[in-house]
Amino acid sequence: EDKVVQSPLSLVVHEGDTVTLNCSYEVTNFRSLLWYKQEKKAPTFLFMLTSSGIEKKSGRLSSILDKKELSSILNITATQTGDSAIYLCAVVGIQGAQKLVFGQGTRLTINP
Amino acid sequence: DTEVTQTPKHLVMGMTNKKSLKCEQHMGHRAMYWYKQKAKKPPELMFVYSYEKLSINESVPSRFSPECPNSSLLNLHLHALQPEDSALYLCASSQAAGKDYGYTFGSGTRLTVV
Repeated sequence: EDKVVQSPLSLVVHEGDTVTLNCSYEVTNFRSLLWYKQEKKAPTFLFMLTSSGIEKKSGRLSSILDKKELSSILNITATQTGDSAIYLCAVVGIQGAQKLVFGQGTRLTINP
Repeated sequence: DTEVTQTPKHLVMGMTNKKSLKCEQHMGHRAMYWYKQKAKKPPELMFVYSYEKLSINESVPSRFSPECPNSSLLNLHLHALQPEDSALYLCASSQAAGKDYGYTFGSGTRLTVV
């Protein structure tokens, strides 16, 4: 059965700190890994990663995939209170080609 | 239009009621999904429609009945629900299987069953 595990489950830091969120997976015929940010309602898309070792960046956020280690990290630098949210990692495997399997999420709290 | 629109945003229903959740997208996506999210849990897949045909049913109870009238619309018909069915119901869409997996989620319907 496909499985995604995120760590830590919860993280509290001060504004300005840098954080690293982890995602590891076991999935049949891996296709891609996605990161989402969820505040009060729907998850909002951050990154899609398909190739190992290529960093994707968007402002203060960046992410990279390591297919050898079956994992990905999401970095947020110079954190702001608006970064407080649940960050979800999800993977797509060819067996369930259209099915996202989500990790439990990391609840990130940024204190001023 | 780069959005997935869900209605209603909130719904309270009794266990004997029949109601429907609606989802609409105009991005030309040919795959549409229903997810259920309980509090403090990740979304769980319920149904996948691909080219208006049901392609995945994750063993969802028959009190949930999906319908895809056309490529832009997805409904979820609810009947005789239980209080434990209370959750956030998320609709999503993407390009068809084998293409771009840039899923777009709607803002969800917060369902409460009383």
